[in-house]
Amino acid sequence: DAGVTQSPTHLIKTRGQQVTLRCSPKSGHDTVSWYQQALGQGPQFIFQYYEEEERQRGNFPDRFSGHQFPNYSSELNVNALLLGDSALYLCASSSTSGGLYEQYFGPGTRLTVT
Amino acid sequence: QKEVEQNSGPLSVPEGAIASLNCTYSDRGSQSFFWYRQYSGKSPELIMSIYSNGDKEDGRFTAQLNKASQYVSLLIRDSQPSDSATYLCAVNKGSGAGSYQLTFGKGTKLSVIP
Repeated sequence: DAGVTQSPTHLIKTRGQQVTLRCSPKSGHDTVSWYQQALGQGPQFIFQYYEEEERQRGNFPDRFSGHQFPNYSSELNVNALLLGDSALYLCASSSTSGGLYEQYFGPGTRLTVT
Repeated sequence: QKEVEQNSGPLSVPEGAIASLNCTYSDRGSQSFFWYRQYSGKSPELIMSIYSNGDKEDGRFTAQLNKASQYVSLLIRDSQPSDSATYLCAVNKGSGAGSYQLTFGKGTKLSVIP
């Protein structure tokens, strides 16, 4: 049973550039959430996608946008990168059935902005 | 007051002892509670979920929930050096605004000394 996968593993970008991160959910899951984790902090919720729409958004600027595809995979796009965007970006998948709200994380993408 | 608070530690326990990790949350309407384990440089791994008051046991792990006191704890019995990690407490509101997101504490770093 394939778990949550993310690509790429690591990424180095320059301030002002744009980046796209990708996520494939766990088999049987239909919901994808994205989190940002800075060093020494807990993950912070960016947004959640369900049925190809953004269902909920955290306190992140519009530079952060996303997309969900018909096969439930998702992308996170960040425009006009700032040094402060350097972090571990985590994708979590879950299922709407059962109402348990359990979210399972992928391995993450480490983004470094220079 | 932060939404989810944890003692950042480090918490050091000898091998074979019981490790006790604590978490408090501010939103009295919170419905679902989770413990994640995060090894250094890795992504969070879901180890326990609890939804109703009382204790829930899974192997060496016991989660305890007291909604009246807005308090969640995780006990690890017979602690092993492999349990050394950061433990993240996460809370889901369950309904209303923000109902789909997990809100995390900063995590407690546990060190099990051989």
